[in-house]
Amino acid sequence: GQQVMQIPQYQHVQEGEDFTTYCNSSTTLSNIQWYKQRPGGHPVFLIQLVKSGEVKKQKRLTFQFGEAKKNSSLHITATQTTDVGTYFCAGETAGANSKLTFGKGITLSVRP
Amino acid sequence: NAGVMQNPRHLVRRRGQEARLRCSPMKGHSHVYWYRQLPEEGLKFMVYLQKENIIDESGMPKERFSAEFPKEGPSILRIQQVVRGDSAAYFCASSSLVAYEQYFGPGTRLTVT
Repeated sequence: GQQVMQIPQYQHVQEGEDFTTYCNSSTTLSNIQWYKQRPGGHPVFLIQLVKSGEVKKQKRLTFQFGEAKKNSSLHITATQTTDVGTYFCAGETAGANSKLTFGKGITLSVRP
Repeated sequence: NAGVMQNPRHLVRRRGQEARLRCSPMKGHSHVYWYRQLPEEGLKFMVYLQKENIIDESGMPKERFSAEFPKEGPSILRIQQVVRGDSAAYFCASSSLVAYEQYFGPGTRLTVT
């Protein structure tokens, strides 16, 4: 079955540093979505990427979809303590019964 | 516009009892998904439903677990004869269309003693 991988599972950065994480799929995706879950909270939708090579920005967050539509990246510029949480990518394959397959997520901690 | 609602937020059950988790999707959403999350684990897909239909239950254990989304009322995830391994956070999400972003509820934290 389809696998979506996020490695590593944890990352610690100093406040103000940049942070990049990657998401890799075993199959070609029709779209990829990113979610953020704060500690004790629930996942919240951040962005959806659909086109090959697509880049979208949200303030200090930059999301990119790979050319082959099998991987994606999330880059945070100048991290802040409010960026703490777990970031999940979720890939969807085309098909009659497509569903989102979530990666295990990367938990980001930011040292003030 | 109320978001996805789940209740109860916390549920404690003894081994062998039944757990019933409810989810009301966002207004206008007809697609409902249930996920299970263990501590420090990702979200594991369980089941995808549309009104009155189970579309995909490939992630749901064959025994003791069932889900429904009736024409009227919330979606229900039912776990019969709970065991300690069922302790987890159960999230429900809804979307307006199958490929669109999913909106998650606050989750139900199930503890089996």
